[in-house]
Amino acid sequence: QITLKESGPTLVNPTQTLTLTCSFSGFSLTTPAVGVAWIRQPPGKALEWLAIIYWDDDKRYSPSLKNRLAITKDTSKNQVVLTLTNVDPVDTATYYCAHRNRVHSAHDYWGQGTLVTVSS
Amino acid sequence: DIVMTQSPDSLAVSLGERATISCKSSQSLLYSSNHKNYLAWYQQKPGQPPKLLIYWASTRESGVPDRFSGSGSGTDFTLTISSLQAEDVALYYCQQYYSTPQTFGQGTKVELK
Repeated sequence: QITLKESGPTLVNPTQTLTLTCSFSGFSLTTPAVGVAWIRQPPGKALEWLAIIYWDDDKRYSPSLKNRLAITKDTSKNQVVLTLTNVDPVDTATYYCAHRNRVHSAHDYWGQGTLVTVSS
Repeated sequence: DIVMTQSPDSLAVSLGERATISCKSSQSLLYSSNHKNYLAWYQQKPGQPPKLLIYWASTRESGVPDRFSGSGSGTDFTLTISSLQAEDVALYYCQQYYSTPQTFGQGTKVELK
């Protein structure tokens, strides 16, 4: 059974760096074609795809945030970490991590999400 | 970036009636190599993460009731709920995963009439 869980701070000051961890079980990020993505959702707004890391350490980012985002994986810990630098109140959102299915490539399992508020 | 546009933004449907949501992409989502459209539909209820309903535009995810169906190809896609149930009240999003950045539609809210 695949599960994912996001963790990190609930409140971050503007200009600081946000670090979120996705801890997962039920699959390995060493399996070909598997990936873990991050998606966020500001309160009352639509979903926004942020980044993905693949089993071979290939990484893709949203161009609008590319200069501020970094995604890494620790296969020994079954974790994926997302960092977002120089946060602003507009970065306030629920952040989700999701599993990329190795066959059809859609996001078939999602974590429950973690709400991050950017405010001083 | 590929822009995904859903319509309508919201719709109210009576129990047992059909609900239809449209999703249009600014570029074709059809991969010529495997003839698959890289389009997914998700359902999101308040306080919950999105749930995958449909992938490859028309393939139902395991466990999804057969009243949910997806159709379309290229740039025009549709999600149909054939007989709306109370538990189907939710937000619905289409997503293209043909290219990065992957992008979502703005969402369609389905309510009971």
